[in-house]
Amino acid sequence: DTTVKQNPRYKLARVGKPVNLICSQTMNHDTMYWYQKKPNQAPKLLLFYYDKILNREADTFEKFQSSRPNNSFCSLYIGSAGLEYSAMYLCASSRGLGGGEQYFGPGTRLTVL
Amino acid sequence: GDSVTQTEGQVTVSESKSLIINCTYSATSIGYPNLFWYVRYPGEGLQLLLKVITAGQKGSSRGFEATYNKEATSFHLQKASVQESDSAVYYCALTPNYNQGKLIFGQGTKLSIKP
Repeated sequence: DTTVKQNPRYKLARVGKPVNLICSQTMNHDTMYWYQKKPNQAPKLLLFYYDKILNREADTFEKFQSSRPNNSFCSLYIGSAGLEYSAMYLCASSRGLGGGEQYFGPGTRLTVL
Repeated sequence: GDSVTQTEGQVTVSESKSLIINCTYSATSIGYPNLFWYVRYPGEGLQLLLKVITAGQKGSSRGFEATYNKEATSFHLQKASVQESDSAVYYCALTPNYNQGKLIFGQGTKLSIKP
């Protein structure tokens, strides 16, 4: 089974409110990733967990948090949503750092109003 | 920094005709990046189509091919005869030499097939 699941598939949030997105995988992969995808833009890496170590991209460091309570689950947390957070959020996983071979979930579409 | 460029946002090709989707990259780190094509079919998640890690080599999968051209810094995707089932969004990507876990994507090219 090479499935990565994301919940919910669609999320509506209010400006200023927190948002928590969930991802799970059953492949026992070491690494889980979160990407942000806006219309007509490339998917952009936000952060990834390699085992228990969180690596966040420098330009989005303060905007997103994440936790990984166990190997299978990873969350993406926004403390105070702004309109600019409206996007598709893609979760992926890989064995080790994968050399670029990542397995993606279907995405969660977040709309902030 | 490293980047990937796909110049066409949308391409329409008639069924059984040939296809080329252009991809060029810029890699500022020492050494050569790994290059990838990912595909997103309607209603599904992104999935790896093909991968090439050695300059000069060709990757192929499901009738698609791409050659790692380090002189031209290109990795164009080609198929000799497209089918309706190839309708999808195609993303060119690289992982820089300094961080094999970081996929850097192009903006994607939506392929539509005319029956």
